[in-house]
Amino acid sequence: DQQVKQNSPSLSVQEGRISILNCDYTNSMFDYFLWYKKYPAEGPTFLISISSIKDKNEDGRFTVFLNKSAKHLSLHIVPSQPGDSAVYFCAATNAGNNRKLIWGLGTSLAVNP
Amino acid sequence: ETGVTQTPRHLVMGMTNKKSLKCEQHLGHNAMYWYKQSAKKPLELMFVYSLEERVENNSVPSRFSPECPNSSHLFLHLHTLQPEDSALYLCASSLHLEGIYEQYFGPGTRLTVT
Repeated sequence: DQQVKQNSPSLSVQEGRISILNCDYTNSMFDYFLWYKKYPAEGPTFLISISSIKDKNEDGRFTVFLNKSAKHLSLHIVPSQPGDSAVYFCAATNAGNNRKLIWGLGTSLAVNP
Repeated sequence: ETGVTQTPRHLVMGMTNKKSLKCEQHLGHNAMYWYKQSAKKPLELMFVYSLEERVENNSVPSRFSPECPNSSHLFLHLHTLQPEDSALYLCASSLHLEGIYEQYFGPGTRLTVT
């Protein structure tokens, strides 16, 4: 049973608009969440993270929102750029999980010029 | 360049071969990981080494044998693999400190077992 779900396999957005990538989780023990970006033929690259004591974390064009009651987080990219086209993975963990990250299946984002 | 390198980038091997994957991190981290990425599956954690001690073995078949001689190097020794072991094998490293969970990945080794 998947504990971290990214229900949209793909997303297409126009350059300059907002991209919103969603992630749901089932394990209420998760207390730290991460987003990674992956280009073809490369490993995942860490993008941004959020602790469960916060509901928002912002880094430049990237903002992650966490809704603990809904067990939902989202990554907002604004404005979207063609170079943002990649697969985005959501991952979750908790302090007692021996540093084990639980991963979603990823969402492929295409930003069209 | 993430500071984590992996060699080889591509490997084709027969089921009776023995080969090794190598990972090196230049980030001063003290924890290292092997992951397997197969099509249409989430990233699967295989092994975790923290301070050069194996702390996690995620029910991986014995035909995969990890080795961590020091905090900068990690190997995955492969022998008598099966075609279903064909996948992207990713190495990652992190700093084993309280509250730090970010892992940094290498580019991966694309393994094909024939």
